[in-house]
Amino acid sequence: DQQVKQNSPSLSVQEGRISILNCDYTNSMFDYFLWYKKYPAEGPTFLISISSIKDKNEDGRFTVFLNKSAKHLSLHIVPSQPGDSAVYFCAARAGGTSYGKLTFGQGTILTVHP
Amino acid sequence: DTEVTQTPKHLVMGMTNKKSLKCEQHMGHRAMYWYKQKAKKPPELMFVYSYEKLSINESVPSRFSPECPNSSLLNLHLHALQPEDSALYLCASSLGLRETQYFGPGTRLLVL
Repeated sequence: DQQVKQNSPSLSVQEGRISILNCDYTNSMFDYFLWYKKYPAEGPTFLISISSIKDKNEDGRFTVFLNKSAKHLSLHIVPSQPGDSAVYFCAARAGGTSYGKLTFGQGTILTVHP
Repeated sequence: DTEVTQTPKHLVMGMTNKKSLKCEQHMGHRAMYWYKQKAKKPPELMFVYSYEKLSINESVPSRFSPECPNSSLLNLHLHALQPEDSALYLCASSLGLRETQYFGPGTRLLVL
């Protein structure tokens, strides 16, 4: 049972435009969500996170939106740059005895064209 | 500084070999993690250590044996692995179990 889903395997955008990456989850116990970026042959790099008590968090060009009723989160990158081309994973964590356990989505390959 | 280091970068081993992967961080983090990532798949959690004690074992086969000798160091001992264990092994650390996890570059393991 896939508890975190990224339904778009890939996304292609033009440099300077907005990239929107989506993620859906099924476990209502998830209370903390993160986005990671991964280049080939490297480990995931933390980008931004959001707690379930918020619906938006911004950090520079990156904004994460959380819609708890829809169990949906999205990552907006504005403006997109060619260096943003990578695999993006969303991840979720529940509380209690599951602290420390991240569940990842399948990833979305973002390609930003110059 | 959010650096987690892992050695070696690449490892090739036979099914009868014994080898170890090493992970180190000097950020004062008290939680450390091992993940396994197969090609075109997301990372999957294997083990979690908190304050040098094993906190979570995700039903990993005993041919994988984790060890946390001190708060900065995490090892993964490998013995009698199978070819299907070939993968990228990622280490991560966080200040505590509730905090953001920071990943190392991984060790690419090939089992022949």
